[in-house]
Amino acid sequence: DGGITQSPKYLFRKEGQNVTLSCEQNLNHDAMYWYRQDPGQGLRLIYYSQIVNDFQKGDIAEGYSVSREKKESFPLTVTSAQKNPTAFYLCASSTDRRETQYFGPGTRLLVL
Amino acid sequence: AQSVTQLDSHVSVSEGTPVLLRCNYSSSYSPSLFWYVQHPNKGLQLLLKYTSAATLVKGINGFEAEFKKSETSFHLTKPSAHMSDAAEYFCVVIKNTGGFKTIFGAGTRLFVKA
Repeated sequence: DGGITQSPKYLFRKEGQNVTLSCEQNLNHDAMYWYRQDPGQGLRLIYYSQIVNDFQKGDIAEGYSVSREKKESFPLTVTSAQKNPTAFYLCASSTDRRETQYFGPGTRLLVL
Repeated sequence: AQSVTQLDSHVSVSEGTPVLLRCNYSSSYSPSLFWYVQHPNKGLQLLLKYTSAATLVKGINGFEAEFKKSETSFHLTKPSAHMSDAAEYFCVVIKNTGGFKTIFGAGTRLFVKA
């Protein structure tokens, strides 16, 4: 069963804590993306990766970090520098940046 | 500058009546255009995409969209709404010149009344 998985579904962060959101795909896609979604707004791009061991900042990268050590995995770390992390985080993948993006089910991050 | 404008933040229809969700884009060149649907607390699901093969694009669940270059529009329609269509809909553009960039509209919330 091909697709994109994200875990956990819900994540709680304490003040000053770093947390990592998982994204895995078995679609053999080269490109992967992380988006943030806030109520009443469209999606905003945090980071994207076009190929293993390479990634680029999106529109709102401050306070976030990523890695792309394997083609199928693109974890996102929300650092303590991100002062307003409460949001719904969506991971997506595509064969390349020109093509259709397919989305995972999302992770909701809440601050304690 | 590239932009996508969804003209209505909310649309309410009765079950069995037509649905129209409006999207306008600005682009110097013909972009790739998409419509996605998002149910509460879920990821985005692709409804349909336009990539210059045909101006009328048919998607899943009875939805279709027509690309009108002269009006720079890509409106989403469905002849008869179903309760399960209640969701948020996003119009998306991939700018494909001078580097690729994906631009999302702000979304339109569709309400379906029984």
